[in-house]
Amino acid sequence: GENVEQHPSTLSVQEGDSAVIKCTYSDSASNYFPWYKQELGKRPQLIIDIRSNVGEKKDQRIAVTLNKTAKHFSLHITETQPEDSAVYFCAASIVQKLVFGQGTRLTINP
Amino acid sequence: DAGITQSPRHKVTETGTPVTLRCHQTENHRYMYWYRQDPGHGLRLIHYSYGVKDTDKGEVSDGYSVSRSKTEDFLLTLESATSSQTSVYFCAISESLVNDSPLHFGNGTRLTVT
Repeated sequence: GENVEQHPSTLSVQEGDSAVIKCTYSDSASNYFPWYKQELGKRPQLIIDIRSNVGEKKDQRIAVTLNKTAKHFSLHITETQPEDSAVYFCAASIVQKLVFGQGTRLTINP
Repeated sequence: DAGITQSPRHKVTETGTPVTLRCHQTENHRYMYWYRQDPGHGLRLIHYSYGVKDTDKGEVSDGYSVSRSKTEDFLLTLESATSSQTSVYFCAISESLVNDSPLHFGNGTRLTVT
């Protein structure tokens, strides 16, 4: 079945630095790749997504890149701030479902 | 916030007892999903529904059943709860296929099986 691998599981960066989280997927039919942010005790919330006909998408300090050939996609957060501290999940679509990665706990150190 | 209400928000139950979790939406979305969240495993799909009375299994469906008799309600039942089913359960909805419209999550139900 579809598998999504996410790395690293934990990431600690200094405030103001950049953070990168990477995911790989197994099913070449996947064509939609969202990223969710989950703050402690809260529900996951969509922060950005990308479709397979696009190689890169940016929204302010957040960007996502997709390499269909290599089946991997990445989340880039620039100029990190304390409020970026959270768990981030990548996901890949397969037919009517989303398959999620294992999550990355991002900590921003002041 | 998307109009999704999960109930109860917290529940403690004993091994072997039946448990039903409810997801109610006010968005009239066609698709509804149940995920469980466990440390190190991310969000794993239990069951999903693509319409009234139309459901299918996800990757971790053993020990769970679902029902959807109305568009707005999606019930998850643990027929005989086990300690391995201690988890946080999230309901999610989407207007159409997930690659066409985003998935929105409810606030979760924390279930503890003792």
